Amino acid sequence: DAMVIQNPRYQVTQFGKPVTLSCSQTLNHNVMYWYQQKSSQAPKLLFHYYDKDFNNEADTPDNFQSRRPNTSFCFLDIRSPGLGDAAMYLCATSRDHTDTQYFGPGTRLTVL
Amino acid sequence: AQSVTQPDIHITVSEGASLELRCNYSYGATPYLFWYVQSPGQGLQLLLKYFSGDTLVQGIKGFEAEFKRSQSSFNLRKPSVHWSDAAEYFCAVGAANSGYALNFGKGTSLLVTP
Repeated sequence: DAMVIQNPRYQVTQFGKPVTLSCSQTLNHNVMYWYQQKSSQAPKLLFHYYDKDFNNEADTPDNFQSRRPNTSFCFLDIRSPGLGDAAMYLCATSRDHTDTQYFGPGTRLTVL
Repeated sequence: AQSVTQPDIHITVSEGASLELRCNYSYGATPYLFWYVQSPGQGLQLLLKYFSGDTLVQGIKGFEAEFKRSQSSFNLRKPSVHWSDAAEYFCAVGAANSGYALNFGKGTSLLVTP
C-alpha cells in the first residue's frame, strides 16, 4: 500500500550526464516536495509544487529542475550532475502546505 | 531566525531502558511539530505530530512527545527501547507564517545495545 513511490531506489550516473528521478503518489495530495539529504545531514528542501505552481528555494542550484505533469507524478531533473550532488533525494507530499508531509523511501544518487 | 536544535548527535541506550530525545525550537509564530525516524538507506517515517490541543501526543511504535511552549521544546520519549528502534531521529518544525517550509533538526542517531 505504498503511498509515495520513488524510482529508482538507486541511481548511478556519470559526472555531467543528465539524470531524472521519479516520484509518484496515490494520496491525491496537492503539494509535492523534493528534498536533498547528504550523508549525516538533515533533509534540505530544493523546491515544491502546489498543484501546478512551482516554488523554488532561493539557494537551489539552477542545475536542479522539476516537472509535475499531473497530480500523481513529479520529476527531479539534474542537468549536469557534479560529485557534490551525490545524495539521497527524498520526495514528500502533503494535502496542503501546513499539513503533514509523507515521505517516499528515497533515491540514492551516486555520481562517478 | 527560525531554528531547530537537536542537542544530542548520538545517544546510546540499553535495550529495555527508557529514552528521551531532545528537540528545541526558535520560532516567532505558534509552530507545528513532527518527529520522523529514518533507518539506514530509507526515507523518513512519521512517528508523531503536534498541531494543537493536548500537548502530550502519542505516536506509533510506542513513542510519545510533549510540547512545552514555555521551554520551546518537543522532546520524544519511549519507556522501553527495542533493538529495532536504532535509527536516525529528526525533529521538524513548521509554522503557518512560513508556509510550506519544514525546518529539520540535524538529527539524533540512536544506538541500542543488548
